[in-house]
Amino acid sequence: DIQMTQSPSSLSASVGDRVTITCQASQDISNYLNWYQQKPGKAPNLLIYDASNLETGVPSRFSGSGSGTDFTFTISSLQPEDIATYYCQQYDNLPLTFGGGTKVEIK
Amino acid sequence: EVQLVESGGGLVQPGGSLRLSCAASGFTFSSYSMNWVRQAPGKGLEWVSYISSSSRTIYYADSVKGRFTISRDNAENSLYLQMNSLRAEDTAVYYCARGSPLGYCNAGSCHSSWFDPWGQGTLVTVSS
Repeated sequence: DIQMTQSPSSLSASVGDRVTITCQASQDISNYLNWYQQKPGKAPNLLIYDASNLETGVPSRFSGSGSGTDFTFTISSLQPEDIATYYCQQYDNLPLTFGGGTKVEIK
Repeated sequence: EVQLVESGGGLVQPGGSLRLSCAASGFTFSSYSMNWVRQAPGKGLEWVSYISSSSRTIYYADSVKGRFTISRDNAENSLYLQMNSLRAEDTAVYYCARGSPLGYCNAGSCHSSWFDPWGQGTLVTVSS
């Protein structure tokens, strides 16, 4: 199975800060990597697919980059409504696997 | 509006069975693959099972293989998960999620690339 390692597991930042989350795959997955946002008590929501493509309707402050084994998710200017847990997910191989999540809080 | 609504969760004893349903609306259900993904309380996400649009291709996570059965009824716009021999570690919120419009094929298997959208989830609790 491909292991997805996210870091940090949690972070606290101020409104307006730039926030960066990393996701490392245990083997090369090209750009077959997606990012989801899960707000408390809600279902996950797709934000970015294929490592860097913004899903329709998602604010442009969210972005993703990377390929191979190392990926980055960025919120350029943190907003109060961005409080959530963020997950990466690979689809290069079955089983489809997720990172452990990064909980983002407001300082 | 695309909508997925799960039902069928509840409290069941270890070794028991439960059948989850997911009612789809707002899109052509028969054209999309579907998945079940679960989340144990306070934990991360775990993919459980995949079914192609025609039901021809089905995959399971090793943790549920042989115990869970995914199926769909395209005439009824519904997805199902039959869960047998339930264990305490199956306790989770179960989400149904639509697969990406185009699947991805690698190493002899074709499956969803991403999950979008997701239903609101249904809680399954396995406890005596």
